[in-house]
Amino acid sequence: SAVISQKPSRDICQRGTSLTIQCQVDSQVTMMFWYRQQPGQSLTLIATANQGSEATYESGFVIDKFPISRPNLTFSTLTVSNMSPEDSSIYLCSVGEANYGYTFGSGTRLTVV
Amino acid sequence: EDQVTQSPEALRLQEGESSSLNCSYTVSGLRGLFWYRQDPGKGPEFLFTLYSAGEEKEKERLKATLTKKESFLHITAPKPEDSATYLCAVTQGAQKLVFGQGTRLTINP
Repeated sequence: SAVISQKPSRDICQRGTSLTIQCQVDSQVTMMFWYRQQPGQSLTLIATANQGSEATYESGFVIDKFPISRPNLTFSTLTVSNMSPEDSSIYLCSVGEANYGYTFGSGTRLTVV
Repeated sequence: EDQVTQSPEALRLQEGESSSLNCSYTVSGLRGLFWYRQDPGKGPEFLFTLYSAGEEKEKERLKATLTKKESFLHITAPKPEDSATYLCAVTQGAQKLVFGQGTRLTINP
């Protein structure tokens, strides 16, 4: 299965600023997924990122708030823009497909103060 | 809308006390049901994928089963190191995972 390196592992940010999270995969993958896990909650999909096309966002998530880049088949970034304390969560990237399973990065723990 | 419901929300067991976690789902065209383990501050760790009703998979003290409406994660003679949150997720044609809320399992020595 693919190995994902995600960074930063944690950060504390001031409200109104932006943070970019990076995910590097050790093999080429078609789809990458970005999830949010709010404190004490389960994972919620933010968007699906395919290389060479615009990311597909889930209901409740918009590109202006969570812009995603997917420049090649092994790398993606998620930016959390104009942050507020409500954005404090763990953000995770994932790769895979239904027939083979899904692998997750170790997560980025974001605290907005 | 796809839904996944896990029960109980939290479970506390004594070491060696076997039990089961439940995952009920409503999804049309299930392509896979996934079980993950998540330790605090870490990303989910893959445990099992089940694809069709009647399928069973085992790994050490864990056994996952699947019916047309639910899945069970059976834990036999658990140890303190089995303490974690166990997540269930389903996927259908869209390839994305829909997660349940998880079961927080604590095994006391």
